[in-house]
Amino acid sequence: DGGITQSPKYLFRKEGQNVTLSCEQNLNHDAMYWYRQDPGQGLRLIYYSQIVNDFQKGDIAEGYSVSREKKESFPLTVTSAQKNPTAFYLCASRNRGTTTSTDTQYFGPGTRLTVL
Amino acid sequence: AQSVTQPDIHITVSEGASLELRCNYSYGATPYLFWYVQSPGQGLQLLLKYFSGDTLVQGIKGFEAEFKRSQSSFNLRKPSVHWSDAAEYFCAVLFTGNQFYFGTGTSLTVIP
Repeated sequence: DGGITQSPKYLFRKEGQNVTLSCEQNLNHDAMYWYRQDPGQGLRLIYYSQIVNDFQKGDIAEGYSVSREKKESFPLTVTSAQKNPTAFYLCASRNRGTTTSTDTQYFGPGTRLTVL
Repeated sequence: AQSVTQPDIHITVSEGASLELRCNYSYGATPYLFWYVQSPGQGLQLLLKYFSGDTLVQGIKGFEAEFKRSQSSFNLRKPSVHWSDAAEYFCAVLFTGNQFYFGTGTSLTVIP
C-alpha cells in the first residue's frame, strides 16, 4: 500500500529535550517537505528537500534540523532551541512527474507534538 | 509579494445547501492552484488542482473550483453539502520554484 507514514501519531516530551519525528514514503517521490500547523495559521514550511543529501530552509527553520540520507526518509528533529514546539507537524512528498499536470503534494497523517 | 488569502475563517451551511469557499492570491503570473481538505487530527487530502486550460476543474467528493484570472481567485464550490463535508479546507498555491504557500484555512460546519 503506497503512501506517507509519520510516526508516532502523538509525542510528548519534556522541555529542553530534542525529539525526532519520522516521515517515510514509498511513492518514489524525489521531493519531501515538513510543515508546522498551528490553529488559525495554516501550514508553515519548516524545511524541504528536492533530492537526497540536499535540503533547504523554509520560512520557520529556526530550532529545527533535518536530514535526507535516503530518498524514502526525511526525519525532522525539533531541538531545544525551538521556543514553542508544541504543534501539529505534517510531512509531505511531491510528485513532479513528467508533466505539470501530475505535479502534486501528498501529505502524511501528521504527528502531534506536545512539550510539557 | 506572493500571498494566498482565504477571507473566511469559518462558514456554516445547512445540509443540502450550496457551498462556496473563497481563495485569492497575489502574483504577477498564473500559479498552480490546489484545494485540500483536512479532517480533525488528520493529514491533508487533495480535492482538486489547476495548472492550465479549462478554468473549471472537477475534483473528488463532488467539489469543483473555478479559476478567474481577472480576480486572482480560485473558489471552491459544491452544489449540495453533506454532513460529512464538515472539515477544514485549505487553498494552496505554487508560484515558482519549489515552495507551496497555504492559506490560513476555512473551517466548515454543516448543520442538519
